Amino acid sequence: QVQLQESGPGLVKPSETLSLTCTVSGGSISSYNWFWIRPPPGKGLEWIGYIYYSGSTNYSPSLESRVTISVDTSKNQFSLKLSSVTAADTAVYYCARPYCSGGRCYSALYYWGQGTLVTVSS
Amino acid sequence: QSVLTQPPSVSGAPGQRVTISCTGSSSNIGAGYDVHWYQQLPGTAPKLLIYGNINRPSGVPDRFSGSKSGTSASLAITGLQPEDEADYYCQSYDTSLSGSNVFGTGTKVTVL
Repeated sequence: QVQLQESGPGLVKPSETLSLTCTVSGGSISSYNWFWIRPPPGKGLEWIGYIYYSGSTNYSPSLESRVTISVDTSKNQFSLKLSSVTAADTAVYYCARPYCSGGRCYSALYYWGQGTLVTVSS
Repeated sequence: QSVLTQPPSVSGAPGQRVTISCTGSSSNIGAGYDVHWYQQLPGTAPKLLIYGNINRPSGVPDRFSGSKSGTSASLAITGLQPEDEADYYCQSYDTSLSGSNVFGTGTKVTVL
């Protein structure tokens, strides 16, 4: 069974860079797109971006200027960096993997980490 | 501001049927992109309920069903149960935002 686990600091100062890692177990990170999602407090889900195991990325246009997602296949991990954070970036951050069936993978997210709360505050 | 609009809340008594709409446009649902649905219980990660407009992953009760028509999609819950009280989100792809996955605004389902 594929499992995802987010890790990283729970507190980041304004203007600094938020850094999180998602460790994948129970399966290889090779193949599939790997996603980062956040639901800001009081708001709905927000797609941050995704990375393919080969390294190609796709970011949310609203965050693109501040986001970097990378992958380390040797560690079965992928990471998120969000620069110049403000209080508006306070949220629970989830990593996730799409659902695949019958040889086809959808953009629907089936495997999720438990989420990690990141608070931006001085 | 999401490009997929959902009603903020819907409610129903146990055993009733409720539907949640997800209204998009010609740049997302209307363009033929798949719609997926999630259930999020408080303090937990979202759970995939419907993928590819109408399909249920293994283990999702058949009380949950999805449909799509034109620029909108819907999630129906029949035989509403207390444990269905949660937030529900739709998801699709939008071409007006330089190609982006987008989530709906979310709907709170309350079981009366």
